[in-house]
Amino acid sequence: ETGVTQSPTHLIKTRGQQVTLRCSSQSGHNTVSWYQQALGQGPQFIFQYYREEENGRGNFPPRFSGLQFPNYSSELNVNALELDDSALYLCASSRLADIANEQYFGPGTRLTVT
Amino acid sequence: AQSVSQHNHHVILSEAASLELGCNYSYGGTVNLFWYVQYPGQHLQLLLKYFSGDPLVKGIKGFEAEFIKSKFSFNLRKPSVQWSDTAEYFCAVTPLNTGFQKLVFGTGTRLLVSP
Repeated sequence: ETGVTQSPTHLIKTRGQQVTLRCSSQSGHNTVSWYQQALGQGPQFIFQYYREEENGRGNFPPRFSGLQFPNYSSELNVNALELDDSALYLCASSRLADIANEQYFGPGTRLTVT
Repeated sequence: AQSVSQHNHHVILSEAASLELGCNYSYGGTVNLFWYVQYPGQHLQLLLKYFSGDPLVKGIKGFEAEFIKSKFSFNLRKPSVQWSDTAEYFCAVTPLNTGFQKLVFGTGTRLLVSP
């Protein structure tokens, strides 16, 4: 088990609603990344936060946004939910200075949009 | 755009059989390479990683992988699988010139080991 925790475990929302997912980093890690894993697919990079700022983003629309707090925990917000947003959302933490860029994953939040 | 291909989507083996899972990536620059495993009901865990040095890397649970730069490949191997190796395996790369860590994953290979 890593020290990365995520909440909630499962969530059901209706199309058009907004959702907030939460992540606590492993101790000593200052970087948080978020990934979306659709059924039968590998995780896809959404964005990364370092020192409370977004420092990298994947191919996701602006309705996917995030925050990182001074204690390095993080939130992923998704507005105007669409059916295709149904997926497992993974949070991963790391030390940006780690040359091997090893990321430690949390258990994920399963989001279902109906 | 960077991409990672895993050619085997489903693999079924008997215990003690040898395993090789293919992984190829498309990216011309320097990358770090990873294999992650997801056991049923568990989170993604790192099996092994390569960032420089000996292209043959050893990971946990008897797994190893070989980086062949000329082939853009990073295949995962295990000489003798066990029932407990049943899991989904993901190959991933991180391009090093982006200024941030971004894992690009393949679609995964689901391995079933029968006792």
